[in-house]
Amino acid sequence: TVLTQSPGTLSLSPGDRATLSCRASQSLSSSYLAWYQQKPGQAPRLLIYGTSSRATGIPDRFSGSGSGTDFTLTIARLEPEDFAVYYCQQRGGSFGGGTKVEMK
Amino acid sequence: EAQLVEFGGGLVHPGGSLRLSCAASGFTFSSDWMNWARQAPGKGLEWVASINQDGSARYYADSVKGRFTISRDNAKNSLYLQMNSLRAEDTAVYYCARSRNNANDYWGQGTLVTVSP
Repeated sequence: TVLTQSPGTLSLSPGDRATLSCRASQSLSSSYLAWYQQKPGQAPRLLIYGTSSRATGIPDRFSGSGSGTDFTLTIARLEPEDFAVYYCQQRGGSFGGGTKVEMK
Repeated sequence: EAQLVEFGGGLVHPGGSLRLSCAASGFTFSSDWMNWARQAPGKGLEWVASINQDGSARYYADSVKGRFTISRDNAKNSLYLQMNSLRAEDTAVYYCARSRNNANDYWGQGTLVTVSP
């Protein structure tokens, strides 16, 4: 299964809402879709698993949704520490190409 | 809290071999699937390999199949990646990660492998 993320880059300001897309080449069980955040020089951090369940310690401004082939990560109000690269992953295997959320 | 520490990276010539290790602590290592992922300089994440709890099931990305071998020693709480026939395109930071709920919930800090003449 190939995961395609869009857009490649999102230019937003603190306080904005961010909507990131992840499209799968074939239908996925909702149990199999996860989202990660990665900052420069750091390992990825799990945000969302099972499409919509927040990992331990993740603020509730992060939410995930979707089904079938279309999945979305939403950041309700961007904080300065949220500017980073975000990846989706299917079933602990292949990753999407990433979306960079940069400060406008 | 779970901790993962990778080591064994370094500079290797094309065609050479390297063995990465990942030391696990803070959780029952033998109860979890484990994974290796990598990230080439300036690029995105790439899943490399996965292994089940007792080592009886192993899966590989097409890009490394036949060259890399994932293994584990539950008595030593350790995960390994044997990398043979290394190529320039294998240059990357290699991460080990624990798998739960079909996601990687804990990651190591990564170890850099550089394949260069």
